[in-house]
Amino acid sequence: GNSVTQMEGPVTLSEEAFLTINCTYTATGYPSLFWYVQYPGEGLQLLLKATKADDKGSNKGFEATYRKETTSFHLEKGSVQVSDSAVYFCALTKAAGNKLTFGGGTRVLVKP
Amino acid sequence: GAGVSQTPSNKVTEKGKYVELRCDPISGHTALYWYRQSLGQGPEFLIYFQGTGAADDSGLPNDRFFAVRPEGSVSTLKIQRTERGDSAVYLCASSRTGGQSEQYFGPGTRLTVT
Repeated sequence: GNSVTQMEGPVTLSEEAFLTINCTYTATGYPSLFWYVQYPGEGLQLLLKATKADDKGSNKGFEATYRKETTSFHLEKGSVQVSDSAVYFCALTKAAGNKLTFGGGTRVLVKP
Repeated sequence: GAGVSQTPSNKVTEKGKYVELRCDPISGHTALYWYRQSLGQGPEFLIYFQGTGAADDSGLPNDRFFAVRPEGSVSTLKIQRTERGDSAVYLCASSRTGGQSEQYFGPGTRLTVT
């Protein structure tokens, strides 16, 4: 079946540091890939997505590139802010599907 | 406009009791999803509705769990004979058409079974 594996947290960074959260997936066919973010006290929000190989999703300074050869979708941000403190979830859906398969989440804490 | 809403926000019940969790999707969204998120884990898919019908219920863990969406809008997740292992946050999401359209999540209902 489909699965998503992401690095365990917590990840603790200083403001303006570089952030990488690794995500790899297992799926047949050509899934769409997503990063969702859950800020403290809020619901899940879509951060970015990519629907085919070599696509780059980007939003709010975050980027992730769909790498089919390594089955990866790593999330990066060049300079984090305290407001980026949240739990980040990598997820996938199959090409013609709908249900999301999530990774376990990575908690990120950015200190001033 | 209004987002996805879920009620109640918190529910505490005793083992063996019956509970209902409600989801109000974004108006006009035809697809509705239920997920369950245990502490420290990612959400797990339970069931997907397209209109009034359950298009995929493969994530329901057993026959104690049931969900309905009789008019293609509001959905209710029903859990019979609750067990302590059912304690989790139950998330609802809706999307405009299903398929690859974005899913918008509600704030969740935190269910605690004592």
